[in-house]
Amino acid sequence: QVQLQQSGPGLLKPSQTLSLTCAISGDSVSSNSAAWNWIRQSPSRGLEWLGRTYYRSKWYNEYAVSVKSRISVNPDTSQNHFSLQLNSVIPEDTAVYYCARDTSVDGRLDYWGQGTLVTVSS
Amino acid sequence: QSVLTQPPSVSGAPGQRVTISCSGSSSNIGAGYGVHWYQQLPGTAPKLLIYGNNNRPSGVPDRFSGFRSATSASLAIAGLQAEDEAVYYCQSYDSSLSGSKAFGGGTKLTVL
Repeated sequence: QVQLQQSGPGLLKPSQTLSLTCAISGDSVSSNSAAWNWIRQSPSRGLEWLGRTYYRSKWYNEYAVSVKSRISVNPDTSQNHFSLQLNSVIPEDTAVYYCARDTSVDGRLDYWGQGTLVTVSS
Repeated sequence: QSVLTQPPSVSGAPGQRVTISCSGSSSNIGAGYGVHWYQQLPGTAPKLLIYGNNNRPSGVPDRFSGFRSATSASLAIAGLQAEDEAVYYCQSYDSSLSGSKAFGGGTKLTVL
């Protein structure tokens, strides 16, 4: 059974860097058949896919255009987790952030973390 | 504005059948990409309910079914139960977005 456990601070000031970690159990961040995603949810933007990392003989990253200049998703093979960094946050980045796994070419998100509410406020 | 369009709300009485629509375009559903559905109960993460248009993960009751045609998809829930009250989201891949998964705006199901 795959489990994803999120951790990270929930309150940031504008211009700071959002950093969240998603610890994986029951699978490997280096899996050749999985990809590791970050998604956020807010009342104004709904569910918004942010980016993912995956390993297919080498590491790949894909990012949403809306955050591409500010985001980094990185694997940590020694800890079997992956992380999200979002730079220069603004109040509009306030949301619940989820990590999730997708497998198969159809891109379904079959396991999700518990979610972390991140509030950006001065 | 979500890439996939869902009605904001639907309702039905216990035992009834309801459907939730998900309208897309030629860059997502219309391009043949699979549609997935998620159920989100209050305060929890979305849960995969239907994948690849009409497949149920293990443990999902057969009261839930999915359909896809042309540029749209739908989720049907038969024999409505009180515990089905939740928000439902559709999701697909969209070739006009970088790398990316497109979501619907969500439909709140109220069991009367």
